[in-house]
Amino acid sequence: DADVTQTPRNRITKTGKRIMLECSQTKGHDRMYWYRQDPGLGLRLIYYSFDVKDINKGEISDGYSVSRQAQAKFSLSLESAIPNQTALYFCATSSGLYYGYTFGSGTRLTVV
Amino acid sequence: AQTVTQSQPEMSVQEAETVTLSCTYDTSESDYYLFWYKQPPSRQMILVIRQEAYKQQNATENRFSVNFQKAAKSFSLKISDSQLGDAAMYFCAYRESNSGYALNFGKGTSLLVTP
Repeated sequence: DADVTQTPRNRITKTGKRIMLECSQTKGHDRMYWYRQDPGLGLRLIYYSFDVKDINKGEISDGYSVSRQAQAKFSLSLESAIPNQTALYFCATSSGLYYGYTFGSGTRLTVV
Repeated sequence: AQTVTQSQPEMSVQEAETVTLSCTYDTSESDYYLFWYKQPPSRQMILVIRQEAYKQQNATENRFSVNFQKAAKSFSLKISDSQLGDAAMYFCAYRESNSGYALNFGKGTSLLVTP
C-alpha cells in the first residue's frame, strides 16, 4: 500500500457542487500539505497543517477549506466548485526533516 | 515566500547526450535546502536530488548532478547519458523555513528525449 493515499484518483463534478478530496498517510508524519498543480504554474500551496489543531493557509487558499481529522488524515474541500478549480491536486507529508517529503499520487479534478 | 524561477518551459535532448535544466531562486536565508523533482506522465512526484545550502560540494545521484552556485542563487540540474525514461516534467523546489517547511516549486521544465 502507498504511504500517502489520495482518493479519488480522478473526479468530474459540476459547478456549484461540494466536493471533498481525501488524503491519508501511514508515514507517521506530523506535517501535511495540499498543493494544486496547473499547467505552466507548477505546484502551489493551498493549506498546510502541523497537527490536528494547527491548520494554516497557503498561497492560494481562497475557495478551499481543509480538515485534519487525525494525524493521518487531511481532507480538502471545495464548498462550491467552479471551473477554474479544475486542476491536479496533491497531498504531501513531511516529518519536518529536510529529506522527509512524501507525495500522494494526485487527484485530477475537473469542474464542468 | 521565496521565489523559484525555471526559465526554460521546454527542453529537448537526444538520447545519450547531456542536458542542463536551469533554476534560480530568491532568498535572504543562509541555510536552506533545494530539490529537483521529476514528474513523468504517471504524475507521480519523484525526488531526483537534493542539496543542502551549507554544503559546498555539489550533490550527485548516478547520472544526475547539480551545479549549486550559492552566491548567484542558482541550482541547475545536469542529466548525463540521457535516457528515454528521463522524459518528464522537472520541478525545482525550495524548502521554506516558514509555511511549515512546505516546498515552494518553480513552474517546471518539460524535458523531451529523442532517440
